[in-house]
Amino acid sequence: QVQLQQWGAGLLKPSETLSLTCAVYGGSFSGYYWSWIRQPPGKGLEWIGEINHSGSTNYNPSLKSRVTISVDTSKNQFSLKLSSVTAADTAVYYCARGRLFGRSYYYYYMDVWGKGTTVTVSS
Amino acid sequence: SSELTQDPAVSVALGQTVRITCQGDSLRSYYASWYQQKPGQAPVLVIYGKNNRPSGIPDRFSGSSSGNTASLTITGAQAEDEADYYCNSRDSSGNHLGVFGGGTKLTVL
Repeated sequence: QVQLQQWGAGLLKPSETLSLTCAVYGGSFSGYYWSWIRQPPGKGLEWIGEINHSGSTNYNPSLKSRVTISVDTSKNQFSLKLSSVTAADTAVYYCARGRLFGRSYYYYYMDVWGKGTTVTVSS
Repeated sequence: SSELTQDPAVSVALGQTVRITCQGDSLRSYYASWYQQKPGQAPVLVIYGKNNRPSGIPDRFSGSSSGNTASLTITGAQAEDEADYYCNSRDSSGNHLGVFGGGTKLTVL
């Protein structure tokens, strides 16, 4: 059974860079979109971006200028970096495994999630 | 703003049927996926594709789609179904990026 284990710094100061890593255990790394999602306190889910096993990335346009998602296939890990953080970036950050396939009608879903990492930005 | 629109809150009497909807142009090309999130927990996939349930999800959860609207139906709602529910798809901008609905808070009375 596939599991995602995530870690990273939980307390940052404004202007610092958020850095999180997610390790994939028990399954293949290829054929999936490895994703990051966040949830500010009391608010809904926000899709941050994704990367596939070959390193192709997609990012939320609202965060694109500050986000980098990378992959280390040798370790079955993928990472998120978000630069120049502010208090608005305070959130629980989740990693997840995404699947996207289909022809005339497409399937897209995230079937395995990490437990989440709480990141607080405060001076 | 979200390209997928959900009602913020819905309530249902214990044992009754409730439908949670999600509207968006991208749903004409993508099946919505649905996630249940309880306080302090990570989201859990409950429905994906045309009407598929991951292993371990009770069969009282079902999904459907028509035009630009996807629906999650809970038939015989239980107290443990009280949670936030989010739909998810790709956007309709042409970039086909991920997007979530704003979420629906389900209260079981």
